[in-house]
Amino acid sequence: DAEITQSPRHKITETGRQVTLACHQTWNHNNMFWYRQDLGHGLRLIHYSYGVQDTNKGEVSDGYSVSRSNTEDLPLTLESAASSQTSVYFCASSESRGGYNEQFFGPGTRLTVL
Amino acid sequence: DQQVKQNSPSLSVQEGRISILNCDYTNSMFDYFLWYKKYPAEGPTFLISISSIKDKNEDGRFTVFLNKSAKHLSLHIVPSQPGDSAVYFCAASASDSWGKLQFGAGTQVVVTP
Repeated sequence: DAEITQSPRHKITETGRQVTLACHQTWNHNNMFWYRQDLGHGLRLIHYSYGVQDTNKGEVSDGYSVSRSNTEDLPLTLESAASSQTSVYFCASSESRGGYNEQFFGPGTRLTVL
Repeated sequence: DQQVKQNSPSLSVQEGRISILNCDYTNSMFDYFLWYKKYPAEGPTFLISISSIKDKNEDGRFTVFLNKSAKHLSLHIVPSQPGDSAVYFCAASASDSWGKLQFGAGTQVVVTP
């Protein structure tokens, strides 16, 4: 069965360290998204990609970067982790079906920055 | 500025009764709306959707109603079951947004026996 996986599921790091969160999908979807979930804010879009070599900034992109070298993976990098980036991170993917897309989510990565 | 708002952070309902979750939006360009359900330590899962050309969509125990003039949608769960206890997110999309979704803050539903 097709799926979307994230690793690690939990990560503790220190302020200033570089951290990379992995996202891998076997749906063969062109669209991939990274969100963070914080109390009172729901899910906020960090970065997204519509295909290989395509990346775009979302509403809360400062301090984060992504790269898309193949269809299946969209790793999220925190260049220099800050305590404000402590959050739960979700990766999602969807088909390219015009404007109406159901997104499929991974299980999430809980990141703690000390 | 949050364009999708769920003003009730929590809802408690008795098993067998109706759960009604509300969602308001401000962007008139939104024309597709979705509800996601999320259990602890899991990712959100798609529940039901509605496009702006409809005012109602049903799927089993779940019905979504859309009032475009009021920029309001609601999710009805009838009858509520203990397994429905979860966080429910409302999300909205515009046809020119290429799949990007705006999410509300979520409503925690607790179904009591």
